Amino acid sequence: QKEVEQNSGPLSVPEGAIASLNCTYSDRVSQSFFWYRQYSGKSPELIMSIYSNGDKEDGRFTAQLNKASQYVSLLIRDSQPSDSATYLCAVNRETSYDKVIFGPGTSLSVIP
Amino acid sequence: DGGITQSPKYLFRKEGQNVTLSCEQNLNHDAMYWYRQDPGQGLRLIYYSQIVNDFQKGDIAEGYSVSREKKESFPLTVTSAQKNPTAFYLCASSGLIYGYTFGSGTRLTVV
Repeated sequence: QKEVEQNSGPLSVPEGAIASLNCTYSDRVSQSFFWYRQYSGKSPELIMSIYSNGDKEDGRFTAQLNKASQYVSLLIRDSQPSDSATYLCAVNRETSYDKVIFGPGTSLSVIP
Repeated sequence: DGGITQSPKYLFRKEGQNVTLSCEQNLNHDAMYWYRQDPGQGLRLIYYSQIVNDFQKGDIAEGYSVSREKKESFPLTVTSAQKNPTAFYLCASSGLIYGYTFGSGTRLTVV
């Protein structure tokens, strides 16, 4: 089992719809969870971080964490063509702030 | 503005050559990292450093070397022992919270 897994893409949604990106992780002691957006040919950009169970909202983005199920998700409301990118889930596999493990990413395409 | 600078943006390596990728940060972050990304793949950790003059191997350190003589700098050398070096190389740094900040990356190609 891979340490961090994401739903396989590519994921296509129409403009204005909700895009749902999922991530599961294997290490139960994981403490910190991140979502990065990576445009083609560019470096990843941190868009959300979440540390406790529940929902965290930031603009059109909502991160959801369920440590019991070892599951973290990212919802993008009112999806825009500019949201088209690869989304990387990242998990701290130890209690320290380093040693983040990245998932393989999910490619999202928002269709105008 | 604070950030991470990677250079060069594109690099070409001949067979048997060593090449060095530069990474400089002015964020005052203690930890720095090097990742490799292959097309359609996730990020794989090469080396990381938490303090000056100390660094640890990541998951794919073979064929690579690093140094950390200054807090701001963490160069990566791709040696001739790395048989398949063509990839996108990303340097990152982190403070105590808020995840990683990435540089713009170096695209290395073997010619």
